Amino acid sequence: GIQVEQSPPDLILQEGANSTLRCNFSDSVNNLQWFHQNPWGQLINLFYIPSGTKQNGRLSATTVATERYSLLYISSSQTTDSGVYFCAAAGGTSYGKLTFGQGTILTVHP
Amino acid sequence: GAGVSQSPSNKVTEKGKDVELRCDPISGHTALYWYRQSLGQGLEFLIYFQGNSAPDKSGLPSDRFSAERTGGSVSTLTIQRTQQEDSAVYLCASSLADRGAGYGYTFGSGTRLTVV
Repeated sequence: GIQVEQSPPDLILQEGANSTLRCNFSDSVNNLQWFHQNPWGQLINLFYIPSGTKQNGRLSATTVATERYSLLYISSSQTTDSGVYFCAAAGGTSYGKLTFGQGTILTVHP
Repeated sequence: GAGVSQSPSNKVTEKGKDVELRCDPISGHTALYWYRQSLGQGLEFLIYFQGNSAPDKSGLPSDRFSAERTGGSVSTLTIQRTQQEDSAVYLCASSLADRGAGYGYTFGSGTRLTVV
C-alpha cells in the first residue's frame, strides 16, 4: 500500500510566523487530505487536495501529484493553530482506504 | 445531524468481554469509515462502507472485529473477546461519496476504549 511520510515531526513557532509542512507519498493518489487534530483530540478536515492548489483563509495547500508530495502552508500562525497536522492518502481502487502519516506536532507560542 | 456522532465517548471493559461502538454519520453521507488511533500505531484504517457496495474490511486486525451498517446510516463496530492491545480511540468518519468532489471526511469525536 501507499506509504506516507510527513516532515518535520515537530515544529515550534512564535505567533505570527509562517510555516510549511510537507507530505511525501510513495505512489500515485486519487485521494489526499490534510487534517488538524486539536489538543482535545478532534480531527478536522482542512483540505481534500489530490492535485492542484487550494486556499482557505490563512491556510493553503498544494499537491504536485507527478512528484508525489503535498505542502500545507500556515501563514500568520495563531496559538489556536497548535495541534497535530496529518496528511492522508489513498490510490488505485482503494479510494476510501486512507493511509495516514505520523503527523507534524505544531506548537505556537504567544 | 450536524456532525458525526459516536457513542459511548468512553468505555472501560474487562479483558474477554465483547463491546459495541456506535456511529451516526451525517445525514445523506453515503460513505462511512472506521479508524483507530493509538500511541504506538498512529491512525489505522479498519473498514469502510460505500452505499450498497460490499464493505472494504481489509484493515480489520483480526476476526474478533466486525462491523455492520444498517439502512445505509448507523454503523456498529463490534469487538469480541477484547484484549488489552485493543485499547485505543476508535474514530468514525463519513463523507458525501468515496470519490470526486465532496470527498473530505468529517470525523466524530471518537470512543476511547480501555481494556483492563
